[in-house]
Amino acid sequence: AQSVTQLDSHVSVSEGTPVLLRCNYSSSYSPSLFWYVQHPNKGLQLLLKYTSAATLVKGINGFEAEFKKSETSFHLTKPSAHMSDAAEYFCVVSDVKTSYDKVIFGPGTSLSVIP
Amino acid sequence: GAGVSQSPRYKVAKRGQDVALRCDPISGHVSLFWYQQALGQGPEFLTYFQNEAQLDKSGLPSDRFFAERPEGSVSTLKIQRTQQEDSAVYLCASSLGITGEQYFGPGTRLTVT
Repeated sequence: AQSVTQLDSHVSVSEGTPVLLRCNYSSSYSPSLFWYVQHPNKGLQLLLKYTSAATLVKGINGFEAEFKKSETSFHLTKPSAHMSDAAEYFCVVSDVKTSYDKVIFGPGTSLSVIP
Repeated sequence: GAGVSQSPRYKVAKRGQDVALRCDPISGHVSLFWYQQALGQGPEFLTYFQNEAQLDKSGLPSDRFFAERPEGSVSTLKIQRTQQEDSAVYLCASSLGITGEQYFGPGTRLTVT
């Protein structure tokens, strides 16, 4: 069965410094992988999606993620953190056994950005 | 166009009461999902509709949970005889096709006292 591990429950960075949010997945298949962001009192928003095309995926707001099959990882990065990046981030894997996008969310990483 | 909307945004229920949570997906979206998000955790899948057909209800935690989408647009999640462990944020998402980006609503925060 598919599963997702987010190695850090909380990450704190200074404004202007790089962001690294770690994600490892478990899947018997070649999965689709996503990163979603959840700001307080707002809906979840898709940041980026990997679907077996290019292994380096660029998303919105300067975020990108690299799919590494050998490491079963899909870490999210951003070169320079902005105050508005403070939010909860979820790594998500699709259940490829279904014909529709049935997804499994990781537990989330809370990102704090220090001025 | 409007995004996914959910109502009510907040609901307080006494244990044993029935509740109904509404989701208005983006117009024309074929797929509709319900998720349950407990405090400090990621959303967990509850059920999936393709138009009016409920194709997957494997995530519903008990037979007290029931969902419908009778005309293939608005969906209602009903919880009967609410228990304290039902307290969570209930999220609805829709997508244009069978696969593709899911657009999430703001959620309904249910508190059972």
